[in-house]
Amino acid sequence: GESVGLHLPTLSVQEGDNSIINCAYSNSASDYFIWYKQESGKGPQFIIDIRSNMDKRQGQRVTVLLNKTVKHLSLQIAATQPGDSAVYFCAEVGTGGGNKLTFGTGTQLKVEL
Amino acid sequence: DSGVTQTPKHLITATGQRVTLRCSPRSGDLSVYWYQQSLDQGLQFLIQYYNGEERAKGNILERFSAQQFPDLHSELNLSSLELGDSALYFCASSVATGSPLHFGNGTRLTVT
Repeated sequence: GESVGLHLPTLSVQEGDNSIINCAYSNSASDYFIWYKQESGKGPQFIIDIRSNMDKRQGQRVTVLLNKTVKHLSLQIAATQPGDSAVYFCAEVGTGGGNKLTFGTGTQLKVEL
Repeated sequence: DSGVTQTPKHLITATGQRVTLRCSPRSGDLSVYWYQQSLDQGLQFLIQYYNGEERAKGNILERFSAQQFPDLHSELNLSSLELGDSALYFCASSVATGSPLHFGNGTRLTVT
Protein backbone atom coordinates (compact mmCIF):
# COMPACT_ATOMS: atom_id res chain seq x y z
CA GLY A 1 0.00 0.00 0.00
CA GLU A 2 0.96 3.63 0.00
CA SER A 3 3.37 4.71 2.68
CA VAL A 4 5.36 7.72 3.65
CA GLY A 5 8.31 7.35 5.96
CA LEU A 6 10.97 9.42 7.64
CA HIS A 7 14.64 8.47 7.84
CA LEU A 8 15.46 9.93 11.27
CA PRO A 9 13.14 9.75 14.24
CA THR A 10 15.09 12.38 16.25
CA LEU A 11 17.22 15.28 15.10
CA SER A 12 19.18 17.47 17.50
CA VAL A 13 20.63 20.77 16.30
CA GLN A 14 22.26 23.77 17.87
CA GLU A 15 20.35 27.01 17.96
CA GLY A 16 21.25 29.07 14.92
CA ASP A 17 22.24 26.09 12.79
CA ASN A 18 20.28 24.89 9.79
CA SER A 19 18.09 21.79 10.11
CA ILE A 20 17.30 19.30 7.41
CA ILE A 21 14.48 16.82 7.87
CA ASN A 22 14.09 14.08 5.30
CA CYS A 23 11.16 12.04 4.08
CA ALA A 24 10.77 9.19 1.62
CA TYR A 25 7.51 8.41 -0.08
CA SER A 26 6.48 5.36 -2.04
CA ASN A 27 3.57 6.48 -4.21
CA SER A 28 5.11 7.87 -7.39
CA ALA A 29 1.66 9.06 -8.49
CA SER A 30 1.32 11.51 -5.60
CA ASP A 31 1.26 15.06 -6.82
CA TYR A 32 1.05 17.18 -3.70
CA PHE A 33 3.15 17.19 -0.55
CA ILE A 34 2.86 19.07 2.71
CA TRP A 35 5.06 19.55 5.75
CA TYR A 36 3.44 19.92 9.14
CA LYS A 37 4.80 20.87 12.53
CA GLN A 38 3.21 19.48 15.65
CA GLU A 39 3.93 20.89 19.08
CA SER A 40 2.99 19.08 22.24
CA GLY A 41 -0.72 19.27 22.94
CA LYS A 42 -1.56 20.84 19.60
CA GLY A 43 -2.71 19.73 16.20
CA PRO A 44 -0.45 19.58 13.15
CA GLN A 45 0.31 23.06 11.86
CA PHE A 46 0.80 23.69 8.14
CA ILE A 47 4.33 24.84 7.29
CA ILE A 48 4.78 24.63 3.55
CA ASP A 49 3.57 22.63 0.58
CA ILE A 50 4.86 21.72 -2.85
CA ARG A 51 3.33 20.28 -5.96
CA SER A 52 4.94 17.65 -8.12
CA ASN A 53 5.60 20.07 -10.98
CA MET A 54 8.10 21.89 -8.76
CA ASP A 55 11.36 20.76 -7.19
CA LYS A 56 11.86 23.59 -4.72
CA ARG A 57 9.73 26.03 -2.82
CA GLN A 58 10.75 28.60 -0.25
CA GLY A 59 8.90 30.14 2.63
CA GLN A 60 9.95 32.18 5.59
CA ARG A 61 13.07 30.40 6.92
CA VAL A 62 11.89 27.14 5.39
CA THR A 63 12.58 25.46 2.08
CA VAL A 64 11.08 22.26 0.76
CA LEU A 65 12.90 20.20 -1.85
CA LEU A 66 11.26 17.49 -3.91
CA ASN A 67 13.18 14.85 -5.81
CA LYS A 68 10.68 12.78 -7.75
CA THR A 69 13.35 10.56 -9.25
CA VAL A 70 14.17 9.03 -5.89
CA LYS A 71 10.84 9.89 -4.25
CA HIS A 72 12.42 12.03 -1.60
CA LEU A 73 11.25 15.15 0.18
CA SER A 74 13.17 17.36 2.55
CA LEU A 75 12.44 20.32 4.79
CA GLN A 76 15.21 22.78 5.48
CA ILE A 77 14.88 25.20 8.37
CA ALA A 78 17.34 28.08 8.40
CA ALA A 79 18.73 29.51 11.62
CA THR A 80 16.87 27.04 13.80
CA GLN A 81 15.30 28.55 16.90
CA PRO A 82 14.10 27.00 20.17
CA GLY A 83 10.53 27.57 19.01
CA ASP A 84 11.18 25.20 16.13
CA SER A 85 11.38 22.27 18.53
CA ALA A 86 8.49 19.99 17.59
CA VAL A 87 7.64 16.86 15.63
CA TYR A 88 7.67 17.36 11.89
CA PHE A 89 5.58 15.28 9.53
CA CYS A 90 5.64 15.04 5.80
CA ALA A 91 2.38 14.11 4.14
CA GLU A 92 1.44 13.20 0.63
CA VAL A 93 -1.84 13.58 -1.13
CA GLY A 94 -2.55 10.42 -3.02
CA THR A 95 -4.53 9.95 -6.15
CA GLY A 96 -7.94 8.34 -6.23
CA GLY A 97 -10.25 11.12 -5.23
CA GLY A 98 -10.67 13.27 -2.19
CA ASN A 99 -7.83 15.11 -0.55
CA LYS A 100 -6.65 12.38 1.77
CA LEU A 101 -3.27 12.94 3.39
CA THR A 102 -0.97 10.05 4.17
CA PHE A 103 1.41 11.01 6.95
CA GLY A 104 4.89 9.83 7.65
CA THR A 105 5.89 8.69 11.13
CA GLY A 106 7.37 12.04 12.13
CA THR A 107 10.77 13.42 13.16
CA GLN A 108 11.35 14.98 16.55
CA LEU A 109 13.46 18.13 16.17
CA LYS A 110 15.27 19.22 19.31
CA VAL A 111 16.99 22.58 19.38
CA GLU A 112 19.82 22.85 21.85
CA LEU A 113 20.81 26.20 23.28
CA ASP B 1 -4.95 29.42 15.61
CA SER B 2 -6.01 27.29 12.64
CA GLY B 3 -9.66 28.30 12.81
CA VAL B 4 -10.76 24.69 13.27
CA THR B 5 -12.55 24.12 16.56
CA GLN B 6 -12.88 20.77 18.26
CA THR B 7 -14.85 19.88 21.36
CA PRO B 8 -14.40 18.51 23.90
CA LYS B 9 -10.65 18.80 24.47
CA HIS B 10 -10.59 15.81 26.78
CA LEU B 11 -12.93 12.88 27.17
CA ILE B 12 -12.68 10.03 29.64
CA THR B 13 -15.10 7.16 29.36
CA ALA B 14 -15.44 3.46 30.03
CA THR B 15 -15.22 0.51 27.70
CA GLY B 16 -18.45 -0.25 25.90
CA GLN B 17 -19.60 3.34 25.94
CA ARG B 18 -20.37 5.69 23.06
CA VAL B 19 -19.04 9.21 22.56
CA THR B 20 -19.48 12.01 20.05
CA LEU B 21 -16.69 14.33 19.01
CA ARG B 22 -17.52 17.63 17.38
CA CYS B 23 -15.70 19.74 14.83
CA SER B 24 -16.34 23.17 13.36
CA PRO B 25 -14.29 23.79 10.23
CA ARG B 26 -12.68 27.05 9.22
CA SER B 27 -15.09 29.55 7.75
CA GLY B 28 -15.49 28.83 4.05
CA ASP B 29 -14.02 25.33 4.14
CA LEU B 30 -16.32 22.71 2.68
CA SER B 31 -14.23 19.62 3.41
CA VAL B 32 -13.83 18.05 6.82
CA TYR B 33 -11.44 15.23 7.65
CA TRP B 34 -11.03 13.05 10.71
CA TYR B 35 -7.71 11.59 11.80
CA GLN B 36 -6.71 9.37 14.68
CA GLN B 37 -3.30 9.74 16.30
CA SER B 38 -1.99 7.07 18.59
CA LEU B 39 1.54 6.39 19.81
CA ASP B 40 1.99 3.23 17.81
CA GLN B 41 0.10 4.16 14.65
CA GLY B 42 0.88 7.81 14.04
CA LEU B 43 -1.67 9.92 12.21
CA GLN B 44 -4.21 7.70 10.50
CA PHE B 45 -6.86 8.99 8.12
CA LEU B 46 -10.38 7.97 9.07
CA ILE B 47 -12.87 9.71 6.81
CA GLN B 48 -13.52 12.80 4.72
CA TYR B 49 -16.71 14.73 4.02
CA TYR B 50 -17.27 17.36 1.40
CA ASN B 51 -20.29 19.63 1.64
CA GLY B 52 -22.26 17.05 3.57
CA GLU B 53 -21.34 13.98 1.58
CA GLU B 54 -18.80 11.28 2.32
CA ARG B 55 -15.85 11.72 -0.02
CA ALA B 56 -13.18 9.27 1.07
CA LYS B 57 -12.82 6.56 3.66
CA GLY B 58 -9.70 5.33 5.37
CA ASN B 59 -9.05 2.93 8.20
CA ILE B 60 -12.27 3.65 10.02
CA LEU B 61 -13.74 0.87 12.12
CA GLU B 62 -17.36 -0.17 11.69
CA ARG B 63 -17.95 0.93 15.28
CA PHE B 64 -17.10 4.47 14.20
CA SER B 65 -19.25 6.73 12.08
CA ALA B 66 -19.28 10.37 11.09
CA GLN B 67 -21.45 12.92 9.40
CA GLN B 68 -21.28 16.48 8.18
CA PHE B 69 -24.27 18.70 8.74
CA PRO B 70 -25.75 21.44 6.52
CA ASP B 71 -23.90 24.10 8.52
CA LEU B 72 -20.71 22.12 7.68
CA HIS B 73 -19.83 21.12 11.21
CA SER B 74 -19.03 17.46 11.64
CA GLU B 75 -19.40 14.83 14.32
CA LEU B 76 -17.46 11.64 14.82
CA ASN B 77 -19.31 8.95 16.72
CA LEU B 78 -17.35 6.20 18.44
CA SER B 79 -19.31 3.31 19.91
CA SER B 80 -18.62 0.10 21.83
CA LEU B 81 -15.40 1.71 22.91
CA GLU B 82 -12.35 -0.41 23.61
CA LEU B 83 -9.15 0.40 25.46
CA GLY B 84 -7.33 0.55 22.14
CA ASP B 85 -9.52 3.42 20.98
CA SER B 86 -7.71 5.72 23.38
CA ALA B 87 -6.01 8.28 21.17
CA LEU B 88 -6.04 11.83 19.95
CA TYR B 89 -8.72 12.50 17.37
CA PHE B 90 -8.09 15.39 15.03
CA CYS B 91 -10.40 17.17 12.70
CA ALA B 92 -9.09 19.13 9.75
CA SER B 93 -10.70 21.22 7.07
CA SER B 94 -9.76 22.49 3.65
CA VAL B 95 -11.34 24.80 1.14
CA ALA B 96 -10.93 22.43 -1.80
CA THR B 97 -9.12 19.40 -3.12
CA GLY B 98 -5.46 20.18 -3.60
CA SER B 99 -5.38 22.77 -0.85
CA PRO B 100 -3.70 22.25 2.52
CA LEU B 101 -5.56 20.79 5.46
CA HIS B 102 -5.78 22.87 8.61
CA PHE B 103 -6.06 20.94 11.84
CA GLY B 104 -7.79 21.60 15.12
CA ASN B 105 -6.10 20.89 18.42
CA GLY B 106 -7.81 17.56 18.81
CA THR B 107 -9.87 15.66 21.33
CA ARG B 108 -7.94 13.40 23.67
CA LEU B 109 -10.02 10.29 24.30
CA THR B 110 -9.16 8.02 27.19
CA VAL B 111 -11.05 4.75 27.50
CA THR B 112 -10.71 3.08 30.90
